[in-house]
Amino acid sequence: AQSVTQPDIHITVSEGASLELRCNYSYGATPYLFWYVQSPGQGLQLLLKYFSGDTLVQGIKGFEAEFKRSQSSFNLRKPSVHWSDAAEYFCAVGRQAGTALIFGKGTTLSVSS
Amino acid sequence: NAGVTQTPKFQVLKTGQSMTLQCAQDMNHEYMSWYRQDPGMGLRLIHYSVGAGITDQGEVPNGYNVSRSTTEDFPLRLLSAAPSQTSVYFCASSPNAARNPMNTEAFFGQGTRLTVV
Repeated sequence: AQSVTQPDIHITVSEGASLELRCNYSYGATPYLFWYVQSPGQGLQLLLKYFSGDTLVQGIKGFEAEFKRSQSSFNLRKPSVHWSDAAEYFCAVGRQAGTALIFGKGTTLSVSS
Repeated sequence: NAGVTQTPKFQVLKTGQSMTLQCAQDMNHEYMSWYRQDPGMGLRLIHYSVGAGITDQGEVPNGYNVSRSTTEDFPLRLLSAAPSQTSVYFCASSPNAARNPMNTEAFFGQGTRLTVV
């Protein structure tokens, strides 16, 4: 069965510092992988996605993620965090291509000044 | 552009009552899905559909029914509400990835906050 693990429940980063959020997945075939962000009380916004091609994908708001098949990982990175990046971040794998998503439990990002 | 519309936004039910959460999309997407979000659990897939007349179970289907009679609508029915179904429910739609893999992305509604007392 497909599954997604986000090992870090909560991360605090200083404003301007770099960020890496970890995501490991379990999937039999080539996965469709996604990162979503959710601000408090809001819906979900897609940051980036991967299904084939270049393993380093660029997303919105300066985020990028790298797909590593050998490690079953799809970690999210940002070189310099802004206070507005404080939110909850979810990694997901598509059970049926781009739909029927299996989500990780999320990582809450706090940004300190 | 309406996108994915969920109604109602808030609902309080008594244990044992039934209700239907509505989800409609105007993007002509073939794929639709329902999720519930609980603190510390992320989003969990309830049911999904890859086209009109086709539905399948997700991770947590018990206590919920769905049907897909049209491309636009994908209602979620709670047959006999229980306090354990208190949650925020999200509906999402996405285009058929087989037709255009580059375009695959799930578009989410704003959610329905359900409380069962």
